[in-house]
Amino acid sequence: DQQVKQNSPSLSVQEGRISILNCDYTNSMFDYFLWYKKYPAEGPTFLISISSIKDKNEDGRFTVFLNKSAKHLSLHIVPSQPGDSAVYFCAASTVQGAQKLVFGQGTRLTINP
Amino acid sequence: DAGVTQSPTHLIKTRGQQVTLRCSPISGHKSVSWYQQVLGQGPQFIFQYYEKEERGRGNFPDRFSARQFPNYSSELNVNALLLGDSALYLCASSFGMGRREKLFFGSGTQLSVL
Repeated sequence: DQQVKQNSPSLSVQEGRISILNCDYTNSMFDYFLWYKKYPAEGPTFLISISSIKDKNEDGRFTVFLNKSAKHLSLHIVPSQPGDSAVYFCAASTVQGAQKLVFGQGTRLTINP
Repeated sequence: DAGVTQSPTHLIKTRGQQVTLRCSPISGHKSVSWYQQVLGQGPQFIFQYYEKEERGRGNFPDRFSARQFPNYSSELNVNALLLGDSALYLCASSFGMGRREKLFFGSGTQLSVL
């Protein structure tokens, strides 16, 4: 039962353009969402998070949007830079789950010069 | 400052064997979580320990066990290894045990079961 889904295994974007990564979830008990970035041979690194009481959160070039009615969140990266090339995971948690994060399968983002 | 360190980085075992993976959290961090990442999938939660007590357990069989030591380091044990246990095992630490705490992940232990 895949409660968090990232339906695009890969995404290719030109440097300087906007990258949009999408994530869908099925569990209505999820109320806290996160994005992690992972480079090869490294562990995931926290990028940005959003609580279900908000619909948008920004941090520099990164913005996460949450659409609770659609059970959908997205990560926007503007402008995209070559160093953004990595695998991006969305994750979700519930109040009862403590630090149990449920991750999606990941999307490999490639930024082309 | 040292990040989360895991050892060994790579490990090869055969079916039926037992394995112990080790994790040292960032200095001052008291919570350690373990995740399993199978190739092509996202990490899957196995355990969380805080102040040496188990605070959360994922949907894994009893062959998986863990513990946390007084210095907050942690071990993950897997008994009776199966081919399907081949994966990257990630350890993450945080200062507190709350779910809003930022998790810092180690680079993982790549376990291959033959």
